Order: sequence, then C-alpha cells, then structure tokens
Amino acid sequence: EDQVTQSPEALRLQEGESSSLNCSYTVSGLRGLFWYRQDPGKGPEFLFTLYSAGEEKEKERLKATLTKKESFLHITAPKPEDSATYLCAVSDSGGGADGLTFGKGTHLIIQP
Amino acid sequence: AAGVIQSPRHLIKEKRETATLKCYPIPRHDTVYWYQQGPGQDPQFLISFYEKMQSDKGSIPDRFSAQQFSDYHSELNMSSLELGDSALYFCASSWGLKETQYFGPGTRLLVL
Repeated sequence: EDQVTQSPEALRLQEGESSSLNCSYTVSGLRGLFWYRQDPGKGPEFLFTLYSAGEEKEKERLKATLTKKESFLHITAPKPEDSATYLCAVSDSGGGADGLTFGKGTHLIIQP
Repeated sequence: AAGVIQSPRHLIKEKRETATLKCYPIPRHDTVYWYQQGPGQDPQFLISFYEKMQSDKGSIPDRFSAQQFSDYHSELNMSSLELGDSALYFCASSWGLKETQYFGPGTRLLVL
C-alpha cells in the first residue's frame, strides 16, 4: 500500500524566512510525485510533477526536489500570499489505484 | 487556460435524499477522477474514468455511482445520503491515465 508522510504538520515563518517542507513516500513503483497548494475551501492547485530521483523543478519562490525516498519543497524568501496548505501526493506505476495517494499536508503560515 | 468546472458549488441536502454532482474536465483531457475531502483531511480517491469507461474504484460507498458521458463530462450520483457524507467533493482531470491531475474548485455538500 502506498504511503505518504509530510512534515512538519504546521509551520509558521516570518516573511523572507526560507525553509523546506518534507514528503516521505513508499510506493511499489513511482509513476510521479506531485506537489499541490490548497487554500481553505478550494481545490488543490497544481505546482509540480517529479518523475525520477535527482529531478528538480522551480517556480517563482518554490523549488521541488526528489530522491528515491523523499521530496522537498523549498520556499525561498516567502511572502504572506504563500500561506496555504501544501499537499504531496504519489501515483503508483504498478497495480496501484488510479487515484493519487496524498499526505496530510503541511499548513504554512507566513507572517508579515 | 480552461480549468475543470464543477457544479453545483454548494449543495444542502437532508438525510436519505439523493444528490448529483457534475464535472466538466479540461478540454481534450480523457481521464476524470473523483475525490472526497472531509474537514481537516486529505483528499480520498473515489473513482476514475478513462475514455468514458470506469477505470478504477477507491473508497467509494455502494450508495454512490458515477459515469462519464460521450462529451467526457462526469456525474457523481449519491443516494441515501448520510450525515457523514458532508464533505468537499473534487473532480480532477488528466490527459492520460495517471498523468498530472488538475483539480476543480469542488462542490461543498452539507447533509442535514
């Protein structure tokens, strides 16, 4: 069974204070690892897809990296508008479900 | 760019009533997924359709059914509603099975 564990559960940062969110995963075969941002009461907003260890992707203040066991979402000089819940999810290339397996998310608050 | 459309956005029902949720995927996307997200929970996969055929089932109750139509839109039918069905229901679509999923804004269902 696929498993995704995210840490920390919650993180409070000052504006401009860089940090990293962790996503550890267990899958029989990784088809893809996905990062989403979710604001309260809204649908998950796609950020990144990573397919293989060593891959990195960047978008504005965010950078996602992938190893064989975990992924990191690095946030550089965050702004208050980066406050949201960040969800990590995996897709199984084997006989696993079509649907994504999500972690519980990291609730990020950026204080001005 | 066009996004996933869901309707209605909010729905209030009584116990034992039925509800129908609709999803219009991103144009040219051939795969639709349904998820349920309870308060403070991560999204849970319910069911998926690829090229108008049911592809996989997750934790979907027997009281729920779904289908994908010739124009690729999908409907989730929920019968004998229970209080515990109150949740956000998301539809996602992708171009290809298990490829990057893009989520809609969700339908908030409240069962009284």
